[in-house]
Amino acid sequence: DTEVTQTPKHLVMGMTNKKSLKCEQHMGHRAMYWYKQKAKKPPELMFVYSYEKLSINESVPSRFSPECPNSSLLNLHLHALQPEDSALYLCASSQGGLAGGETQYFGPGTRLLVL
Amino acid sequence: EDKVVQSPLSLVVHEGDTVTLNCSYEVTNFRSLLWYKQEKKAPTFLFMLTSSGIEKKSGRLSSILDKKELSSILNITATQTGDSAIYLCAVEAVGQAGTALIFGKGTTLSVSS
Repeated sequence: DTEVTQTPKHLVMGMTNKKSLKCEQHMGHRAMYWYKQKAKKPPELMFVYSYEKLSINESVPSRFSPECPNSSLLNLHLHALQPEDSALYLCASSQGGLAGGETQYFGPGTRLLVL
Repeated sequence: EDKVVQSPLSLVVHEGDTVTLNCSYEVTNFRSLLWYKQEKKAPTFLFMLTSSGIEKKSGRLSSILDKKELSSILNITATQTGDSAIYLCAVEAVGQAGTALIFGKGTTLSVSS
């Protein structure tokens, strides 16, 4: 099973809402990633979770907060977002080995619209 | 600072043409270079290159890595309208948090019939 799943596929939220994006993989990967992609731009890395260590991209606002309940799941909690946060949010996973030479496998993404 | 540069940024060709897309990189702890094709959804994986000088092929697409020149090219022969997409080059690097991809800005390819 080489699939990364994400839910929901689409999400519309107001600026005062709290919502969560979910990502799941069952490939035994130890590294999972959240990316943000605006239209016609490449994906931008937000967070990396690897071997139980979370790395935060310091340019990511605190209104985004990741959570990893277990090695197969990765959540992204959203609170008080701004309209400019509207984007496609992609989750990816990889084996997470330090030897490198890995491929990151992407999920289908959650398309988020903030009103 | 790690960076990946793709050229050209956009390209318009006619069906049947052959195109070459370029990717150059400057990264520490290079591990591999990947090519993705992105249409309206998430990027789909095309190739992963780790060894210099070995061409990878899939149908009309092929790619090769030159570690000496820190670059890679993606060739598409006999282009079709279905090849219209954004082609992303990404370089895998290993940092303190593990493995992550550094993406270029992409080349937007438009194939007209």
